[in-house]
Amino acid sequence: DIVMTQTPLSLSVTPGQPASISCKSSQSLLHTDGETYLYWYLQKPGQSPQLLIYEVSNRFSGVPDRFSGSGSGTDFTLKISRVEAEDVGVYYCMQSIQLSFTFGPGTKVDIK
Amino acid sequence: EVQLLESGGGLVQPGGSLRLSCAASGFTFSSYAMSWVRQAPGKGLEWVSAISGSGGSTYYADSVKGRFTISRDNSKNTLCLQMNGLRAEDTAVYYCAKARYSGYYTYYFDYWGQGTLVTVSS
Repeated sequence: DIVMTQTPLSLSVTPGQPASISCKSSQSLLHTDGETYLYWYLQKPGQSPQLLIYEVSNRFSGVPDRFSGSGSGTDFTLKISRVEAEDVGVYYCMQSIQLSFTFGPGTKVDIK
Repeated sequence: EVQLLESGGGLVQPGGSLRLSCAASGFTFSSYAMSWVRQAPGKGLEWVSAISGSGGSTYYADSVKGRFTISRDNSKNTLCLQMNGLRAEDTAVYYCAKARYSGYYTYYFDYWGQGTLVTVSS
């Protein structure tokens, strides 16, 4: 299975400041079909996960534009341009290039 | 509005069985693959199983292969997970997730239910 790693595992951010989370995969997530199968989810406290970003850089419906995704191959980044209080929670990256989907360990984001 | 409502969780002894259900609404159920993802207490997310829209293709994590069976009833908009031979390490919140096709062969999970807790303990 593909192993997903994330750094940092926790992050404390001042509201209005940017935040960045790195996700790395043990194998390239670029398929021969040209697509890169990397996704980002946010699990807010006491809630189920919600999709933020699909296929590296596409924001899901209703996701604020302060969230952006980038990267290629095995290295990916989720950026929040200006963190708001409602952004607290655990962020997970996920790969689906193999149909044994794997998630990163999660990055816990809280507010200073 | 997409809604996914899981049920069937509870306390079961090691070696026992449990059947989870997920009632789906707000979308054409048979057109989408579906999946189960679990989260052990205080831990991260672990994909468990997935099934194609027709039910003809199923996929399992190695940790549950041979013990769990995923199925769906498209006439009732219901997804199920039959869990046999349960172990303490299967203790988790089990989420039902709707899958959106991505590329030519894979998918990702765009909507999740609220989850149902399965506790395996004597």
